[in-house]
Amino acid sequence: GENVEQHPSTLSVQEGDSAVIKCTYSDSASNYFPWYKQELGKGPQLIIDIRSNVGEKKDQRIAVTLNKTAKHFSLHITETQPEDSAVYFCAASPNSGYALNFGKGTSLLVTP
Amino acid sequence: EPEVTQTPSHQVTQMGQEVILRCVPISNHLYFYWYRQILGQKVEFLVSFYNNEISEKSEIFDDQFSVERPDGSNFTLKIRSTKLEDSAMYFCASRVGSGNTIYFGEGSWLTVV
Repeated sequence: GENVEQHPSTLSVQEGDSAVIKCTYSDSASNYFPWYKQELGKGPQLIIDIRSNVGEKKDQRIAVTLNKTAKHFSLHITETQPEDSAVYFCAASPNSGYALNFGKGTSLLVTP
Repeated sequence: EPEVTQTPSHQVTQMGQEVILRCVPISNHLYFYWYRQILGQKVEFLVSFYNNEISEKSEIFDDQFSVERPDGSNFTLKIRSTKLEDSAMYFCASRVGSGNTIYFGEGSWLTVV
């Protein structure tokens, strides 16, 4: 089955700096890669996703890149703000309708 | 904005008891899911449900688990005889159709003692 690895497990950055979180996956059939943000006591919220027919997608301060050959994808957050502090999960699946296989999460702390 | 709602938010139950977790998916959604997250660990897929039947399930979803959509709005997860290791946050999720975003509820925290 699919195995998603996520690094780092914790990340601390200064407000205004960029944060990068990386994930690798094992199943070449995976073609849908969402990123979720989870705040304490809440459910995961989708922040951005990418499908395998594109290499990069951007939404304001958030961007995701995908390298299908190397089977890795990354989340980039620029100009970080304290409210970006949360746990971020990457996931992969063969289709956006199939079960999501999540990484272990990255706890991001943005300090003022 | 429409959201997936779950009840209860927290339940404590004795080992061996049956538990039912309830979810109201977003109203026009057709695909429903249960995931769980053991404290400090990643979110794990349990089961997906479409057209009144299970479409996919994981190894975690054994005979102790069942799902039901009894009345066209609620989507329930039943654990027949809870074990200590069932203690986790259980998330319900739903989506409109193929190719669309999966939306998660805020979770039901189950503690088995």
